[in-house]
Amino acid sequence: DGGITQSPKYLFRKEGQNVTLSCEQNLNHDAMYWYRQDPGQGLRLIYYSQIVNDFQKGDIAEGYSVSREKKESFPLTVTSAQKNPTAFYLCASKGGRNPATNEKLFFGSGTQLSVL
Amino acid sequence: AQSVSQHNHHVILSEAASLELGCNYSYGGTVNLFWYVQYPGQHLQLLLKYFSGDPLVKGIKGFEAEFIKSKFSFNLRKPSVQWSDTAEYFCAVKKSSGDKLTFGTGTRLAVRP
Repeated sequence: DGGITQSPKYLFRKEGQNVTLSCEQNLNHDAMYWYRQDPGQGLRLIYYSQIVNDFQKGDIAEGYSVSREKKESFPLTVTSAQKNPTAFYLCASKGGRNPATNEKLFFGSGTQLSVL
Repeated sequence: AQSVSQHNHHVILSEAASLELGCNYSYGGTVNLFWYVQYPGQHLQLLLKYFSGDPLVKGIKGFEAEFIKSKFSFNLRKPSVQWSDTAEYFCAVKKSSGDKLTFGTGTRLAVRP
């Protein structure tokens, strides 16, 4: 069953702790994205990657880090420098050769991160 | 930098009413425009997109959007809403030459049966 898998569904972070959110896709997509969703603020782009071993900062990258060592994986680390990490985090991907669908973002089910 | 504004934060309509949700973007170059929808408890999914050609784009579930370049707008419309259209709607933009996709703040639509 093709798609994007985010884990865990719920995550709690202690003060000063780094936590890593997992995002895996088996859609063979080149581009992957991390968004943060807060009530009333829509989706804000944290980082995105257009290809393996490459990634760019989005609009709110401070306090976050990513890696793209494998095409199917794009983990997001929320560092202790992120002072307001409580949010819903969405991973997405796009790609493929079909021009009718290769610009369509496929989203995961999200991870809710809360601070203890 | 590109940005998107959705001025309607909450919209409440009765069934069969017509819908128009506003979306304005800021970027002077060639853009690709999207509307995504998030139904309660479901993933975000694509409603429709505009890349080039006919500025009136038709999407799934009877939705359409019109790209008006002179107004930097891409408003979403539906002639007659149903209760099942209750959802949050997001407009998004990216430069045609890039992959950075920027979303608006979203509009929550509630349709009364």
